[in-house]
Amino acid sequence: DIVLTQSPDSLAVSLGERATINCKSSQSVLYSSNKKNYLAWYQQRPGEPPNLLIYWASTRESGVPDRFSGSGSGTDFTLTISRLQAEDVAVYYCQQYYSTPQTFGQGTKVEIK
Amino acid sequence: EVQLVESGGGLVQPGGSLRLSCAASGFTFSSYWMTWVRQAPGKGLEWVANIKQDGSEEFYGDSVKGRFTISRDNAKNSLYLQMYSLRAEDTAVYYCARRHLEPVGFDYWGQGTLVAVSS
Repeated sequence: DIVLTQSPDSLAVSLGERATINCKSSQSVLYSSNKKNYLAWYQQRPGEPPNLLIYWASTRESGVPDRFSGSGSGTDFTLTISRLQAEDVAVYYCQQYYSTPQTFGQGTKVEIK
Repeated sequence: EVQLVESGGGLVQPGGSLRLSCAASGFTFSSYWMTWVRQAPGKGLEWVANIKQDGSEEFYGDSVKGRFTISRDNAKNSLYLQMYSLRAEDTAVYYCARRHLEPVGFDYWGQGTLVAVSS
């Protein structure tokens, strides 16, 4: 199984500042035939189900604010929130859909400093 | 509006069985892969199982393989998860989710139903 390890486990960021979350995969999730990275990011606010933010490592889902961006390739990925807002307080998960079983990172909790 | 509404959760004894249901509306249910994902209290997300549009293919996580069965009824716009031989470690909120039309993750989720396995 592919193991996804996120860092840090939690971070506190001031409103309007940048938040950066990393996700490292135990093996590459880059599919050679189409050059796409099979990695997604989700946001889970307290008491709510997860919400898809990013797929193909860097494609923003419809309706997701442009302050959210994804980058990386192969085994190393980053989710960046460029200007943190109060409604961004949540746990963020990366997920790989390169192989079955699909797996998630352990989550990163983002709070306001 | 896309809606996924889970039901069937509750308290069950170890070794017992339970059947979860997910009622889908607001989209063409038969056109999408569907999935169950669970989340133990205070823990992260764990993919449980998914099923192809016509029910011809099913995949399971290692922790539930042989004990859980995913199924669907496209005529009723419903997804199911039959759970047998339940263990304490199966205690979780179970979410029904729709896979994006592209194979890129899950774009709609229900609110979840809690399954508690305890004596």
